[in-house]
Amino acid sequence: AQTVTQSQPEMSVQEAETVTLSCTYDTSESDYYLFWYKQPPSRQMILVIRQEAYKQQNATENRFSVNFQKAAKSFSLKISDSQLGDAAMYFCAYRSYNNNDMRFGAGTRLTVKP
Amino acid sequence: ETGVTQTPRHLVMGMTNKKSLKCEQHLGHNAMYWYKQSAKKPLELMFVYSLEERVENNSVPSRFSPECPNSSHLFLHLHTLQPEDSALYLCASSQVGTSSGEQFFGPGTRLTVL
Repeated sequence: AQTVTQSQPEMSVQEAETVTLSCTYDTSESDYYLFWYKQPPSRQMILVIRQEAYKQQNATENRFSVNFQKAAKSFSLKISDSQLGDAAMYFCAYRSYNNNDMRFGAGTRLTVKP
Repeated sequence: ETGVTQTPRHLVMGMTNKKSLKCEQHLGHNAMYWYKQSAKKPLELMFVYSLEERVENNSVPSRFSPECPNSSHLFLHLHTLQPEDSALYLCASSQVGTSSGEQFFGPGTRLTVL
C-alpha cells in the first residue's frame, strides 16, 4: 500500500519569507497524482496545488509551487512571500491513477510570524 | 449552500447514545467519503461511496454505519461509541473519472464521546 510521510510536524516562517514543506511517498506505481491540501484553524480543508506524475514540469499556483522529484519520490511545497493567512496544517496526499483512494500524510503545522 | 456541508458542526454524546452525522455536496459529484481525523495522525479513510455503491470499508468497527441514499447525501450513523472515537469526522466528495479526481472537503463534525 502507498504511504505518505511528512517528516516536519511543525514549521515556522517569518512573514514575507519563503518556506518549504517536505513530503515523501512510497509507491510501485508509475501513474498517480499528488496533492497539497491546506487546513486552516476553521478546519475546512482546501486544495492548494496538484501534480500529475506523468508531467515533468513542476506545478505552480501563484505563491505556491512544488518540487516534484519522481525518482526520489519526493514532493515538497514551497510557499513564497508567506502571509499570515498561510498559517494552517498542510497535508500531502497521494492518489492512484486507477482508483479514488487517497492517502494522506500526518500533516505539517505552519506558523507565520509577523 | 455551496461546496460540501456537514451537520452538526459539534456533537457530544454518551457511549449509549445513537446519533447521525450528515453530509451534503452541492458540486454534482458522484463519489463521497468519510474520513476520521485524530490529532497527529494521518487522515483515516473510513468509507467510500462511488455512484451510490459502497466500494471500501477499511475495517471500520460496526458501531459506525454509513448510508448514501443518493449521490448528494451521505450519513454516518453512530451507536455505542467509545471515547477513543472522539475525533473530527470529515466528509469529502469527488467526481469519479476526471483526470485528477481531487476531493473537496466539508468543514467537519467535531465529535466528543463521553
